[in-house]
Amino acid sequence: DAGVIQSPRHEVTEMGQEVTLRCKPISGHNSLFWYRQTMMRGLELLIYFNNNVPIDDSGMPEDRFSAKMPNASFSTLKIQPSEPRDSAVYFCASRPGTGREETQYFGPGTRLLVL
Amino acid sequence: GDSVTQMEGPVTLSEEAFLTINCTYTATGYPSLFWYVQYPGEGLQLLLKATKADDKGSNKGFEATYRKETTSFHLEKGSVQVSDSAVYFCALSDSGGSNYKLTFGKGTLLTVNP
Repeated sequence: DAGVIQSPRHEVTEMGQEVTLRCKPISGHNSLFWYRQTMMRGLELLIYFNNNVPIDDSGMPEDRFSAKMPNASFSTLKIQPSEPRDSAVYFCASRPGTGREETQYFGPGTRLLVL
Repeated sequence: GDSVTQMEGPVTLSEEAFLTINCTYTATGYPSLFWYVQYPGEGLQLLLKATKADDKGSNKGFEATYRKETTSFHLEKGSVQVSDSAVYFCALSDSGGSNYKLTFGKGTLLTVNP
């Protein structure tokens, strides 16, 4: 199993540009999570999908952020327009089901730098 | 709401020293408890977990016991190695209806010197 795949691994962009982060969850997993990690705020849950449907998007910072999951094998997180304070590592994670004992499997992350 | 509090880092130890990283939690239901580890430049990966009171999770020499009476899940290892240098996150899976999500602590950076 290839694990959770994220692309790109690194992204450098200028303020005001659109940024799209991509995630391919582990095959057969029904739940998908997007997290943001910074030194100041630690690990923050941005949005959570179950069976491709957004369940909890209360962590999405503002309207500049949007996430989609058009099918079970692909999700995107888009920032438009990007700002320097969006610089962070963005992780995608997937989980087989919704039980409280189930493990989340994290991707390697996308390191985003907005200049 | 649910929360996780873990000891502030950084923690610096010499190789073969004993490790304890404290973790306490607040939850309204009956959470599952996890320790995740993040090695430099990588994503988080599960280290161990426990799903009910008095369960002990163990992996790679690390152990943690789910203590309901003290709402704790402290991580221990008897003899650390340089390769254990990483950030360790305690987490709980809360009772968010039928869809559970993780609540993480802030992480503890461990550095092991040879």
